[in-house]
Amino acid sequence: QVQLVESGGGVVQPGRSLRLSCAASGFTFSSYGIHWVRQAPGKGLEWVAVIWNDGVNKYYADSVKGRFTISRDNSRNTAHLQMNSLRVDDTAMYFCARDPEVHDSSGTRFDSWGQGTLVTVSS
Amino acid sequence: ELTQPPSVSVSPGQTVTIPCSGETVGDQNACWYQQKPGQSPVMIIYQDSKRPSGIPDRFSGSTSGNTATLTIRGTQPMDEADYYCQAWDSTTAWVFGTGTKVTVL
Repeated sequence: QVQLVESGGGVVQPGRSLRLSCAASGFTFSSYGIHWVRQAPGKGLEWVAVIWNDGVNKYYADSVKGRFTISRDNSRNTAHLQMNSLRVDDTAMYFCARDPEVHDSSGTRFDSWGQGTLVTVSS
Repeated sequence: ELTQPPSVSVSPGQTVTIPCSGETVGDQNACWYQQKPGQSPVMIIYQDSKRPSGIPDRFSGSTSGNTATLTIRGTQPMDEADYYCQAWDSTTAWVFGTGTKVTVL
């Protein structure tokens, strides 16, 4: 069955870095775009970043642009989110989600999600 | 931004509608996600009105102009959750609605 498993979260001081991973199984990983979505405690969902199937196209929310980098390794069925210069307001549960039509403005959607990994930025 | 009412309440067996308004909505691009406490979101509607396999047919979606609407007919206690709309456009990229907490009284 489709599985997305996030890891790499933890407690980190402001200004430091963290690298999240998203391990996929149960589907053809290279056929899907991968998004990262975050949710601050008690708040709503916020889209963070996306990488297309082939890893060439990447897009970021303004709130993380220049600090976060999304990547993927299709040979290992894994995606990553490198988070630098972390701020207190980056504290959130981070989910990865797959997108079967990431290139299609009408078809793009988050059709399967992982369980999330918690990132806490605190001094 | 996509605007949703913060909360709605419904009696078991009744119908509830959740609107989602914003310029991003339109062009058959609205999706809806259900999130229960402590769980990951689950997609329940995509492309305005399509239902993934395994999602009960009491959930339906529609769009008119810049407003997408999620309708739950015959609401069950298990439908108590947070619901988020989501859409894409070339200016704001992927954006989620503000979220609606559905309480089944």
